[in-house]
Amino acid sequence: LAKTTQPISMDSYEGQEVNITCSHNNIATNDYITWYQQFPSQGPRFIIQGYKTKVTNEVASLFIPADRKSSTLSLPRVSLSDTAVYYCLVGAQTGANNLFFGTGTRLTVIP
Amino acid sequence: DSGVTQTPKHLITATGQRVTLRCSPRSGDLSVYWYQQSLDQGLQFLIQYYNGEERAKGNILERFSAQQFPDLHSELNLSSLELGDSALYFCASSASGHGYEQYFGPGTRLTVT
Repeated sequence: LAKTTQPISMDSYEGQEVNITCSHNNIATNDYITWYQQFPSQGPRFIIQGYKTKVTNEVASLFIPADRKSSTLSLPRVSLSDTAVYYCLVGAQTGANNLFFGTGTRLTVIP
Repeated sequence: DSGVTQTPKHLITATGQRVTLRCSPRSGDLSVYWYQQSLDQGLQFLIQYYNGEERAKGNILERFSAQQFPDLHSELNLSSLELGDSALYFCASSASGHGYEQYFGPGTRLTVT
């Protein structure tokens, strides 16, 4: 199971782009990177998943460099409603080994 | 709405008691996962079932047990409850067994007094 390291917290102003980086130095060849968002007292919500380079959906972008030892979740033009905890998970497609959520990054969006 | 349902929403009980939490996965999902989240703590993975069989085990106490039924709903049984078991318990489901794109339910808040 690849260990991940994320900042504990981040602050951002409304309308700015926010980048949250996750380090996963011992990522394995068949590991994927998945990000979740969690609001207080709610279950986490799947945001985005990727293997390499860049993935974009209607919510966020995920940037993964060639060595895959880190990844960056990019949230464009954040609003107050983006205030949440963001979790980075790394694991393989086979087996239930990517189930370590850790403590995540608490993003606070300031008006 | 993730499509995952959990009952009850809230549960208040006394130490030493036993409770059962119920989860219905999204239609078609074969995997069910249980997590515990204490106040200001990260999500702790407890156990996973895939199509009725136990697939993976995390930090689940011996006082806790779970099962997945033929209709794919799952129950988490917590016994000999202690004050420290007070937490939010989440159930999640996914289509496959590898746990990538999980869909979480609204959770059951358990308070042990």
